[in-house]
Amino acid sequence: QVQLQESGPGLVKPSETLSLTCTVSGGSVSSATYYWSWIRQPPGKGLEWVGHIYYSGSTNYNPSLESRVTVSLDTSKNQFSLKLTSVTAADTAVYYCARIFYLDASGFNWYFDLWSRGTLVTVSS
Amino acid sequence: QSALTQPASVSGSPGQSITISCTGSNSDIGRYNYVSWYQQHPGKAPKLIIYDVIYRPSGVSNRFSASKSGKTASLTISGLQAEDEGDYYCSSYTSISTLVFGGGTRLTVL
Repeated sequence: QVQLQESGPGLVKPSETLSLTCTVSGGSVSSATYYWSWIRQPPGKGLEWVGHIYYSGSTNYNPSLESRVTVSLDTSKNQFSLKLTSVTAADTAVYYCARIFYLDASGFNWYFDLWSRGTLVTVSS
Repeated sequence: QSALTQPASVSGSPGQSITISCTGSNSDIGRYNYVSWYQQHPGKAPKLIIYDVIYRPSGVSNRFSASKSGKTASLTISGLQAEDEGDYYCSSYTSISTLVFGGGTRLTVL
């Protein structure tokens, strides 16, 4: 059974860099079937897709965050990571890592089939 | 990119049916059959309930059904139960290779 678990600081100072890692257990980030994604949810608000990465290293980012976001993959550790620079209070949110089911024998798909539990990251001095 | 448009809230009594709409554009819902729906209970991670517009993952109740017409997707929950109460989000793939969510709909079971 595949599971996703985030790790990283729960408190980040304004203007600094938010860094989170998602460890994948029971599956491989090197699979061509999936993309690996970050999604966030400010307290009391809706979901916002942040970005995703494919096993090839190809990435796509939310245009509203693109200048500050990097998603990377570490196949040796079976992990993928998020870096968000120059954070402000508006970046305070629960951050989820999620798996996107992308490709199977019937063709292409784009849906989040597996989610982590989520971790609250607060931006405050 | 703009979020997909959902009603902020809907409500219904046990046993009734409700429908949640999700309106996008010709760059997302109107262009692709990659619409998915998620159920979220307070303090929990979202759960996939519909993918590729109309399909239910294994284990999801057949009380959940969905459709799409043009730029608008819809989720219908029939035979409402207390456990259906929560937040519902739609999502779509877009023409610029991104994903976008709706603003979310709070379902209240009266």
